[in-house]
Amino acid sequence: NAGVTQTPKFRVLKTGQSMTLLCAQDMNHEYMYWYRQDPGMGLRLIHYSVGEGTTAKGEVPDGYNVSRLKKQNFLLGLESAAPSQTSVYFCASSREGHPNTEAFFGQGTRLTVV
Amino acid sequence: KNEVEQSPQNLTAQEGEFITINCSYSVGISALHWLQQHPRGGIVSLFMLSSGKKKHGRLIATINIQEKHSSLHITASHPRDSAVYICAGNYGGSQGNLIFGKGTKLSVKP
Repeated sequence: NAGVTQTPKFRVLKTGQSMTLLCAQDMNHEYMYWYRQDPGMGLRLIHYSVGEGTTAKGEVPDGYNVSRLKKQNFLLGLESAAPSQTSVYFCASSREGHPNTEAFFGQGTRLTVV
Repeated sequence: KNEVEQSPQNLTAQEGEFITINCSYSVGISALHWLQQHPRGGIVSLFMLSSGKKKHGRLIATINIQEKHSSLHITASHPRDSAVYICAGNYGGSQGNLIFGKGTKLSVKP
């Protein structure tokens, strides 16, 4: 049972480089989320999706883009990485919206931008 | 502003002790989640509750809607319970309006 899988697990980028983080879930969940976790702060929502082909902005969307072309995949893109985007990124999925069902999280991606 | 406050920030206990972690929220929520983040970083959902009390093994979660307060209790604590415990409140909407606390880092010594 894979659950939610994030790739890569670690990455170091130079300022200005681009990259895509992949989140894949095998639970047929409709809802998927990207969060970032920074020291001394709670998890913050970057973008989310309520179904295939849909995306929406969360609390801290600037500097990120997302796509949900397939139900099982939710991609997070950084077009021009900045040191402020150094963080641990978590993907999560849920069958319904958060009020009604538990969320399943990936193992996280530790990104460092130098 | 919707906020979720946890206390304490750090907690050290001896194996076998009864542990309580508190969570307070500033505005009414539709559901509250308790999550556990393992030392290696992975996050798992422990409880989701909107009223009353839930129990799973040695873990108990309670919520008092009137007082806007929730507690996570661990009975007979064990070193493998060492982790960061996070509470998160849903402030309405089905899309993902979870506001997360900063977490409580628990260390259980043998």
